[in-house]
Amino acid sequence: DTEVTQTPKHLVMGMTNKKSLKCEQHMGHRAMYWYKQKAKKPPELMFVYSYEKLSINESVPSRFSPECPNSSLLNLHLHALQPEDSALYLCASSPKEAEFYGYTFGSGTRLTVV
Amino acid sequence: AQRVTQPEKLLSVFKGAPVELKCNYSYSGSPELFWYVQYSRQRLQLLLRHISRESIKGFTADLNKGETSFHLKKPFAQEEDSAMYYCALRRPGGYNKLIFGAGTRLAVHP
Repeated sequence: DTEVTQTPKHLVMGMTNKKSLKCEQHMGHRAMYWYKQKAKKPPELMFVYSYEKLSINESVPSRFSPECPNSSLLNLHLHALQPEDSALYLCASSPKEAEFYGYTFGSGTRLTVV
Repeated sequence: AQRVTQPEKLLSVFKGAPVELKCNYSYSGSPELFWYVQYSRQRLQLLLRHISRESIKGFTADLNKGETSFHLKKPFAQEEDSAMYYCALRRPGGYNKLIFGAGTRLAVHP
């Protein structure tokens, strides 16, 4: 299995809702990432997990809460989002080796906040 | 601060023409640079790493430290090359952070 799988592919949620995005990989990668991509913009890093521990939080608002229950799974919990949070949320993973080969990206969850 | 600049939002060429997608970076150390491609309705995928100095799908990219550039080139464009191309720089610090440029859309016309 050489893929990063993200679910759901599309999500519409109200500003008072609580929802979660899920990301899964079975490549044995020990680093996982959440990126946010607005329309016609490049991906922007949100969080980095290394060996299931949060390594980097790029000053993301607390309404986004990441979780890494195990080495294969990464979640992003969403609560009280704003319409401007509507975007494509990308998960990625990479091996934790001395040489960095780049990320493997998932296909993303397109989130619409209404 | 590290930055990746892709000056062209759109590059439009005809099939068979040479292609050069520009990427400039600002970084004081030894950079690691990448090109990612996103075809329509598909996920972002790695195209090239500067370290490997390989050619993928006919594309090459050479790191020019003097000009701080990592331009992507292909001598003869194909229609299937039409996609969004992102240049990215790896930020050091042990966590493999990638900083992406704004991207260039390549449109290859028949």
